Amino acid sequence: EAQVTQNPRYLITVTGKKLTVTCSQNMNHEYMSWYRQDPGLGLRQIYYSMNVEVTDKGDVPEGYKVSRKEKRNFPLILESPSPNQTSLYFCASSFIRESSYEQYFGPGTRLTVT
Amino acid sequence: DQQVKQNSPSLSVQEGRISILNCDYTNSMFDYFLWYKKYPAEGPTFLISISSIKDKNEDGRFTVFLNKSAKHLSLHIVPSQPGDSAVYFCAASGKSNDYKLSFGAGTTVTVRA
Repeated sequence: EAQVTQNPRYLITVTGKKLTVTCSQNMNHEYMSWYRQDPGLGLRQIYYSMNVEVTDKGDVPEGYKVSRKEKRNFPLILESPSPNQTSLYFCASSFIRESSYEQYFGPGTRLTVT
Repeated sequence: DQQVKQNSPSLSVQEGRISILNCDYTNSMFDYFLWYKKYPAEGPTFLISISSIKDKNEDGRFTVFLNKSAKHLSLHIVPSQPGDSAVYFCAASGKSNDYKLSFGAGTTVTVRA
């Protein structure tokens, strides 16, 4: 089954304790992204990757890092989480061709930073 | 600066009838337009997309229409079913900005029995 998986689904942590949210896709897509969703602000892109070893900042990259060492994995790293990073996070994987653009989201990770 | 707007926050439709969701955009450089459905506590589900070289794309009960001159697109769902009750987002993207997606704020659809 084609899918995007994220782990963990729920996480409660304390300020300053480094954490990693994993994301994996089995569709061989080149393009992957991370978003956060906050009430009233909609979906905002944090980072994206157009291929292995190619990453770039989205709209709200501060406080986050990513890596893309393999095509299927795109982990999101919070080196020193702060309460303003409490949010719902989504990973996504995209298939883009000249006449087609499809994007598939993971189930989400609800992060609470106290 | 919101480049993609969904001006109707909600839509109520009777089961079996047509649902029409609208979306407007400001950036003429957008090449792709996507529609998603989202249930609470789940990730958005991709429904259908259209590239700027087309004006219509159809997939089962879902049809998307693109009017480039008006910078407007719409999603038609026919017939509407109770399981279609969800929040619907439109999004737009272009090669010129690395295919980054700009999302609308969403329209909540309620299908009445």
